[in-house]
Amino acid sequence: ETGVTQTPRHLVMGMTNKKSLKCEQHLGHNAMYWYKQSAKKPLELMFVYNFKEQTENNSVPSRFSPECPNSSHLFLHLHTLQPEDSALYLCASSQEGGRIQETQYFGPGTRLLVL
Amino acid sequence: AQSVTQLDSQVPVFEEAPVELRCNYSSSVSVYLFWYVQYPNQGLQLLLKYLSGSTLVKGINGFEAEFNKSQTSFHLRKPSVHISDTAEYFCAVSDRGNFNKFYFGSGTKLNVKP
Repeated sequence: ETGVTQTPRHLVMGMTNKKSLKCEQHLGHNAMYWYKQSAKKPLELMFVYNFKEQTENNSVPSRFSPECPNSSHLFLHLHTLQPEDSALYLCASSQEGGRIQETQYFGPGTRLLVL
Repeated sequence: AQSVTQLDSQVPVFEEAPVELRCNYSSSVSVYLFWYVQYPNQGLQLLLKYLSGSTLVKGINGFEAEFNKSQTSFHLRKPSVHISDTAEYFCAVSDRGNFNKFYFGSGTKLNVKP
């Protein structure tokens, strides 16, 4: 399998649930990103990991908890979400974040609905 | 922080007609500029990017964009569109001093009609 994959593609959860989104990249990249894409709003960068270390947290609420166990995998743990957190969550990777701007490769996203 | 404005939320156009999608950004500091395309039910794909050098940048699928520093714009153009170009297009800006920060516009939906 090539590129950036995300699972699940669709997720419905209640506000008291705990769930996790998974992202895997098969490109040998060292930087990974989480974005939130809400309807009628610009794409928002949430987190950046570079060589498994978090280098950016864009003022994201603590109910979103990222985890990067290795350079190929990135998780987003979700708990006690709100309906306004419903959105498309996109994962991306690039060769090495922090150098002259590389191309980011995006996964297809997880469509999340919080009831 | 940067802000990115895509003036048109939707652009309808007939097949084989030219199209221009507009993008303006707020800051006059040195920036990197990008255009991404998102097809239905897919993630974003890079069309082209401006890092330095020639202000006219050519990308994939026949698209090009021109960086205009004085007008802080980076408009995307294609001389003749195809049905397959129907998608949403996002302009993005990154400050040269902060590689991890991407600022995206709200997107322009291009609808190519036969």
